[in-house]
Amino acid sequence: GNSVTQMEGPVTLSEEAFLTINCTYTATGYPSLFWYVQYPGEGLQLLLKATKADDKGSNKGFEATYRKETTSFHLEKGSVQVSDSAVYFCALSPSGAGSYQLTFGKGTKLSVIP
Amino acid sequence: DAMVIQNPRYQVTQFGKPVTLSCSQTLNHNVMYWYQQKSSQAPKLLFHYYDKDFNNEADTPDNFQSRRPNTSFCFLDIRSPGLGDAAMYLCATSSGGDAGANVLTFGAGSRLTVL
Repeated sequence: GNSVTQMEGPVTLSEEAFLTINCTYTATGYPSLFWYVQYPGEGLQLLLKATKADDKGSNKGFEATYRKETTSFHLEKGSVQVSDSAVYFCALSPSGAGSYQLTFGKGTKLSVIP
Repeated sequence: DAMVIQNPRYQVTQFGKPVTLSCSQTLNHNVMYWYQQKSSQAPKLLFHYYDKDFNNEADTPDNFQSRRPNTSFCFLDIRSPGLGDAAMYLCATSSGGDAGANVLTFGAGSRLTVL
């Protein structure tokens, strides 16, 4: 079956540090890949997505590249801010018509300190 | 703003006492989902509706039921909550168009406590 594995947290960084959160997946075919973010007390929000190999998703300074050869979709940001403190979820959506299930990783909690 | 609204945000119930959580959307999306999220775990899909078609996940307990009376509303009924059902319940919607780029819009969640 489909699965997503992301690095264990929590991750604590100083403001302006470089962020990488690793994500690898297992799926048949060519899934779409997503990063969702959950701020304290809120629901999940889409951060970025990529729908085919070598696509790069980007938003709010975050980037992730869909690497089929390594089945990875690592999240990066060059300079984190305190406001980036949240839980980050990597997810995949299988390819094929009628496939609506989104499979999530366990989430990585990021804390950014001033 | 178009959005997904969940009520109540916090629900406390007693062991075995039925609970209903509600979700409404103004996005006119075809698909509505219910996820269960326990502490430090990934959200787990319980079921989803594509329009009126109900799709139950194979491992969703019978204790969990859902209703979608119209496009805008969807309900999660927990018939006899146990201590293990304490969790955050997330409602989400999607247009259901291109399954390969199936972006979900989530509500803020309903946190259930079972005493």
